[in-house]
Formats: sequence, C-alpha cells, structure tokens
Amino acid sequence: DADVTQTPRNRITKTGKRIMLECSQTKGHDRMYWYRQDPGLGLRLIYYSFDVKDINKGEISDGYSVSRQAQAKFSLSLESAIPNQTALYFCATSDLRGHQPQHFGDGTRLSIL
Amino acid sequence: DAKTTQPNSMESNEEEPVHLPCNHSTISGTDYIHWYRQLPSQGPEYVIHGLTSNVNNRMASLAIAEDRKSSTLILHRATLRDAAVYYCILRDVSNFGNEKLTFGTGTRLTIIP
Repeated sequence: DADVTQTPRNRITKTGKRIMLECSQTKGHDRMYWYRQDPGLGLRLIYYSFDVKDINKGEISDGYSVSRQAQAKFSLSLESAIPNQTALYFCATSDLRGHQPQHFGDGTRLSIL
Repeated sequence: DAKTTQPNSMESNEEEPVHLPCNHSTISGTDYIHWYRQLPSQGPEYVIHGLTSNVNNRMASLAIAEDRKSSTLILHRATLRDAAVYYCILRDVSNFGNEKLTFGTGTRLTIIP
C-alpha cells in the first residue's frame, strides 16, 4: 500500500461546485502539504500544516481551504471551483526533524469545466 | 528565494553515466541543495540532498562545487526507469517554518535504449 494516498485520483466537475480532495498517510509524519502543478510548470505550494492545530498558507492559497482532521489526514477544498483551478494536485508529508525530504502521493487530476 | 537554473532537457544512452547540472549562484550559507525527480504520472520523488560536501546514496551522487554556486546530480548507470523530470531545489532551513520547496521547471531526462 502507498504511504501517501490521495483520493480521488481523477475528478471532472463543473464551475461553481464544491470539491474536496483527500490525503491520508501511514508514515506517521507530522507535516503535510498541498501543492498544485500546471502543465509544463513546477509545483506550487497551496497550504501546509505542522500538526493538527497548525495551518499555514502557501504561495497560492486564494480560492482554497484545508482541514487537518487528524495527524494522518489533510484535506483540500475548493469552495466554488473555477476553470483556472484545473490542475494536478499533490499531497506530501515530511518528518518533523529539520530538512527531511517530502514524500508525495501520486496526485489528483482535477478538471473544472 | 535563491533561484536555480537547469537545462530544459537532456538525453543519455542507457547504461551510461548521466550528469545533470544545476546553477544556483545566489545560494545562501543556510541553503541545502535538494534533488527530486518526477516520473510520468507520479508525484515527485526525493533523490538526494547536501550542504557542502559531496553525497552518495543508493540512487545517485551529488557533487557540489567548492563555492556552492553549482551542483551536479550524477546517475552512475542510467536505466530506462530513470527517464523523468529532475528538479534542483534550494531549501533554507535556518528559518523554522520555512517549508516551501520551490520547484522550477526542471530538466527532462530522456534515456535512449
């Protein structure tokens, strides 16, 4: 089983709909992250969380919200989806200790029509 | 944030060594050099990281210039499975809470059978 699991893997929806992407991890890591990737571009950080009570904005948080329901679960919501949020979304985790690598899920491909 | 510059693409023959360059002329003393790779249809995967000294692990070697303004990721014997986009990333760990991994566009490595 994958250490970092994202659901769904693919989603097509309409403008204005509320969407939730879920991420769960079995690595026991405290830190979790959400990134988006647009075609031909690198990843950009949306939100990150150091523990259940900690949420921080990344560089492109507008239009998104997150919830850290437990150490192992971190969900990303689009309250009212718009077409330019069509992208590949990745969840990642890392250990609390300094400069540890981030471990990524396989991504959710989201298309908003 | 300090920036990295990588070639857009490179090709290499299977079973030969590959040297992937990265320039980071504005690197600060507290920036670690991280390398990740992204295989098709997968999330990024940690490869290696270092600060000043050259580093080796089971996946690759990292050679860091004496002035730290450039580095080279070395795959000792490329296989078809090494075909991916390789990202060179600087990570400043002097500021606790600076969790941003800034992914550029990376180098797309093609392995020729």
